[in-house]
Amino acid sequence: KQEVTQIPAALSVPEGENLVLNCSFTDSAIYNLQWFRQDPGKGLTSLLLIQSSQREQTSGRLNASLDKSSGRSTLYIAASQPGDSATYLCAVGNSGYSTLTFGKGTMLLVSP
Amino acid sequence: DGGITQSPKYLFRKEGQNVTLSCEQNLNHDAMYWYRQDPGQGLRLIYYSQIVNDFQKGDIAEGYSVSREKKESFPLTVTSAQKNPTAFYLCASSRTSGGHNNEQFFGPGTRLTVL
Repeated sequence: KQEVTQIPAALSVPEGENLVLNCSFTDSAIYNLQWFRQDPGKGLTSLLLIQSSQREQTSGRLNASLDKSSGRSTLYIAASQPGDSATYLCAVGNSGYSTLTFGKGTMLLVSP
Repeated sequence: DGGITQSPKYLFRKEGQNVTLSCEQNLNHDAMYWYRQDPGQGLRLIYYSQIVNDFQKGDIAEGYSVSREKKESFPLTVTSAQKNPTAFYLCASSRTSGGHNNEQFFGPGTRLTVL
């Protein structure tokens, strides 16, 4: 059964820092990997989707990479801002199934 | 505007009552999903539907029921058999299920509290 782990569970940084969030998964037979953002009490917002054939995807200050063979993905946030404060969730789309397996998330706090 | 709507935003249930959570999407997506989110446990899949009039159990289906009579609607009923229903419920949809087109988009959620 696929398991997804996100490290660290929480992260606090000053504004302007570049940071990396980590996601690892146990079964490399995946279709894709999706990064989400969740604000307190809200639904999930899709940030980036990486297909299994891709190595990375970029959107603005966000860059996500995927290394299927090692079962890892990273989300890089450049020049962090207080508005980036949220919980970031990683989810893996499993080959042969139509569902996602989620990690428990990294809670990010960016202080002014 | 295309998107996913969930209602109500907050719902209170007495013990022994069934309640139904609404989820509607106008994205013309084939697949829809229901998740439950509890503090410290992440999202867990309750039910999903790949096409109208068809649905499958997820990891924690006991005490829940769904229907998919229309493409745009996927209501979730929390029955009295669900022993610990207090949670945040999230509905999602994707263009297709499985493969490379299953990027999921989420609604704003319904917070259910049992009194």
